Amino acid sequence: AQKITQTQPGMFVQEKEAVTLDCTYDTSDQSYGLFWYKQPSSGEMIFLIYQGSYDEQNATEGRYSLNFQKARKSANLVISASQLGDSAMYFCAMREALYGNNRLAFGKGNQVVVIP
Amino acid sequence: GAVVSQHPSRVICKSGTSVKIECRSLDFQATTMFWYRQFPKQSLMLMATSNEGSKATYEQGVEKDKFLINHASLTLSTLTVTSAHPEDSSFYICSARITAKETQYFGPGTRLLVL
Repeated sequence: AQKITQTQPGMFVQEKEAVTLDCTYDTSDQSYGLFWYKQPSSGEMIFLIYQGSYDEQNATEGRYSLNFQKARKSANLVISASQLGDSAMYFCAMREALYGNNRLAFGKGNQVVVIP
Repeated sequence: GAVVSQHPSRVICKSGTSVKIECRSLDFQATTMFWYRQFPKQSLMLMATSNEGSKATYEQGVEKDKFLINHASLTLSTLTVTSAHPEDSSFYICSARITAKETQYFGPGTRLLVL
C-alpha cells in the first residue's frame, strides 16, 4: 500500500507568489517523521523541512513551511514568495519508527515550474 | 554542515564490467547510509541500508550479489554494480543520517550508463 501520496499534476507558479504542495500519508504508528526534499534538474536531493509527529507547531524554515494536519494525515508544503530557482521536483517522505534505521518512504513527487 | 559527496558523478561502462560508486559523509559520522535508485521521472526506490561494520540490509527484489555494498568506516559506503547490464543504467543516489538525528542528507547522485 502506498504510504505517501502526492497527486498534483505539474504546477506553474508565478514568481513571487506562494504555492502549496499536497502530501497525505498513511501510517498506524504514533511516532513518525515527515520530510520534504527538493530535487532540481541536476538530480541532487536537497533537504527542506522536517516535522515530527509529536511536534505541536508547524515547522518553518525560511520561505518553507509545513502545514501539518495530523488528524487528516496531511503534511502540505507551502513555499512563499516563489523564486525562479524553486523550479524543481518536490518529494514528500515519511519515516516510521516501525521501519528501524530511519528508512524513508517517498511519494512520487510534485513538479513545480516558476515562471517570471 | 551535513555534506555528502558521491563519486563518480557520471560513469559510462561496457556491459559486463563492474562499477564502484563511493558515498562519503564529509563533515559528520554516519553509522547508517542508504542507497537509492531513481528512474527518469520517478521517485526514489530504496535499494539497501548500509550499516557501518555489518552487512547491508537489502530491500525485497534487490539482488545482493548484483549490488555489493560495503560500509567500512563511519564516513564511507560503497556500492558496486557487478557485471553491469544496460538495464542497470539509472541514477544512483546515496544518503547518510547523522547518528541520533532524524534527517537524511543526500549525495549529488551518480548517473550510470551501461552500453
